[in-house]
Amino acid sequence: DAMVIQNPRYQVTQFGKPVTLSCSQTLNHNVMYWYQQKSSQAPKLLFHYYDKDFNNEADTPDNFQSRRPNTSFCFLDIRSPGLGDAAMYLCATSRVQLDIGNEQFFGPGTRLTVL
Amino acid sequence: KQEVTQIPAALSVPEGENLVLNCSFTDSAIYNLQWFRQDPGKGLTSLLLIQSSQREQTSGRLNASLDKSSGRSTLYIAASQPGDSATYLCAVKASGSRLTFGEGTQLTVNP
Repeated sequence: DAMVIQNPRYQVTQFGKPVTLSCSQTLNHNVMYWYQQKSSQAPKLLFHYYDKDFNNEADTPDNFQSRRPNTSFCFLDIRSPGLGDAAMYLCATSRVQLDIGNEQFFGPGTRLTVL
Repeated sequence: KQEVTQIPAALSVPEGENLVLNCSFTDSAIYNLQWFRQDPGKGLTSLLLIQSSQREQTSGRLNASLDKSSGRSTLYIAASQPGDSATYLCAVKASGSRLTFGEGTQLTVNP
């Protein structure tokens, strides 16, 4: 089945220790997104890639970076995680279709704990 | 700036009851509205997508309506079951690729 896969599902890191979260997709979608969701809050868009074009949200901290080496994979790098970065990180994809709104498909998420 | 509000924040109903979840948004210039389900500690599962030109979508026991001019959508769940217990999120897509989410309605269906 075509899907969005996130690894690992649970990640524990230490305060200040860099961590990378992974997302892959078999949908061949050209847009990939990273969202941060804290407990009982709405998902918040961090950034997205439209093909190779990186689009950062204005309020995304510099501590968060992303890489998209090819269509299928996208990585979220947190350079120096703080306690406030503990959250669920959600990857999503969509296929852009002109003039209509494209549906977003989400992965299962990675729960990040910062000790 | 688009804002999405979901009411109520939490809802508890007995099994078998029909129920309605509400979503409102401030900017009616949207491309689509999407309803998601989220189980505790899990990702988002897309339930229904309504394009701006549509008024409703149905999938099984779920029916979602969209009134773009008034900035409202409802998710109707018929004959609720304990397995429907989850948080339901609505999200609207305006210009660009951003989805703006509400904070969700936490639904509990009691056996």
